[in-house]
Amino acid sequence: DAGVTQSPTHLIKTRGQQVTLRCSPKSGHDTVSWYQQALGQGPQFIFQYYEEEERQRGNFPDRFSGHQFPNYSSELNVNALLLGDSALYLCASSFRDRMYSPLHFGNGTRLTVT
Amino acid sequence: DQQVKQNSPSLSVQEGRISILNCDYTNSMFDYFLWYKKYPAEGPTFLISISSIKDKNEDGRFTVFLNKSAKHLSLHIVPSQPGDSAVYFCAASYSGAGSYQLTFGKGTKLSVIP
Repeated sequence: DAGVTQSPTHLIKTRGQQVTLRCSPKSGHDTVSWYQQALGQGPQFIFQYYEEEERQRGNFPDRFSGHQFPNYSSELNVNALLLGDSALYLCASSFRDRMYSPLHFGNGTRLTVT
Repeated sequence: DQQVKQNSPSLSVQEGRISILNCDYTNSMFDYFLWYKKYPAEGPTFLISISSIKDKNEDGRFTVFLNKSAKHLSLHIVPSQPGDSAVYFCAASYSGAGSYQLTFGKGTKLSVIP
């Protein structure tokens, strides 16, 4: 039973560039959430996708956008990268219809902006 | 404005003894609380949760206690084992946000000494 998979594992980009991160949810899960974890901090909620639509959003600018595909996989896009976007980006999946089913996280993508 | 606080960045415990990790929250709307464990280069792994209708939940060596009046929860690990050495994150959510929008603390690094 495959868990949450994310790609790539590491990425180095230059300020001003754009980046796309990918996530495949745990088998059977239909909801994908994205989190940003800066060094020394806990993960911070970016947004959540269900039925191919953004349903909830945290306190992140519009430079952060996403997409969910019919197979429930998801992408996180960040435009006009800033040095402060350097972080570990975590994808998490869950069941929509189970209100308090725990999130299952992937191992993350480490993004470095230079 | 940190709504979930883990005031101890690190904790060292002897193998076989009890580990107690603490967490405080400020948002009285939170009604669901979770603990996640994170090893280096891996994503957070769900450990145990508790809803606000309970004050205690046990799962094997792990017990979470919730004191709603004090807005405080704690995770007890008994007995502690070297494999428990990891960063532990406290997280909280509320019904309106759903279980996919978690607010995390900054984490406590637990070291279990053999």
